[in-house]
Amino acid sequence: NAGVTQTPKFRVLKTGQSMTLLCAQDMNHEYMYWYRQDPGMGLRLIHYSVGEGTTAKGEVPDGYNVSRLKKQNFLLGLESAAPSQTSVYFCASSYRAGGAKNTDTQYFGPGTRLTVL
Amino acid sequence: QKEVEQDPGPLSVPEGAIVSLNCTYSNSAFQYFMWYRQYSRKGPELLMYTYSSGNKEDGRFTAQVDKSSKYISLFIRDSQPSDSATYLCAPPNQAGTALIFGKGTTLSVSS
Repeated sequence: NAGVTQTPKFRVLKTGQSMTLLCAQDMNHEYMYWYRQDPGMGLRLIHYSVGEGTTAKGEVPDGYNVSRLKKQNFLLGLESAAPSQTSVYFCASSYRAGGAKNTDTQYFGPGTRLTVL
Repeated sequence: QKEVEQDPGPLSVPEGAIVSLNCTYSNSAFQYFMWYRQYSRKGPELLMYTYSSGNKEDGRFTAQVDKSSKYISLFIRDSQPSDSATYLCAPPNQAGTALIFGKGTTLSVSS
C-alpha cells in the first residue's frame, strides 16, 4: 500500500516550458487535491477534484490546469511555466470532505520541488 | 481577515518544556479542526482532530477549542527534539469540499 505518490520529485524548467505533475493514490479515495507551498505563505489550494471526471478551482488556480481521468490519478499541468511558479507542490487525497475524521483526513504525497528559471 | 491565522514563529524551546501553539479563525460555522504536523522536506500528516468545542487529549498532545473567542490551541507536554516541525491547523471550508490550512507555526525543540 503505497499511499500517495508524486512524480517527479524534482524538476527544473525554463520560463515558457510546459510540464505535467502526476499524483497517484491507491486508497480508493474520491477527493484529490493539489497544493503549492511557499515560504511564509503556507499551503495554498490550486485545484481539487471530488471524483473521477470532475475538477474545481481552489485559491490559486491561475496558470495551472488539472485532469482526473482515472479515480486514482490527478494530473497538474503547467502550460507555460513562470518563475512565480517556483514552489513545492503537494498532492493529497481523502475519502471525502466535510464529514468526520475517518473520511476527511487528507493524506499527502512527498512533494515535488519545482524550480522555474 | 484571513479565515485561519497562525503565528509563524519560529518558536524555540528546550527539551521537556510545555509548548502552546495557537490558531485563530473567523468562521463560526467550522465544525471541527485538524492539526497537521509537517517535518522538514516532507508532506504534512494528520496529528490530531477535534470538534469545535472542548478538549481532546492524545498522549503528550492536547487540542483545545474556545468557540467564544474563535481560538484553537495545541499543547505539547514534555516536548522532545522529535517534535521539531511545523504545525498547521486546518478547519474544513464552508462547502465541506476541502480543508483550509493556516500558514503553520514552526517549532524547534533543543536537547
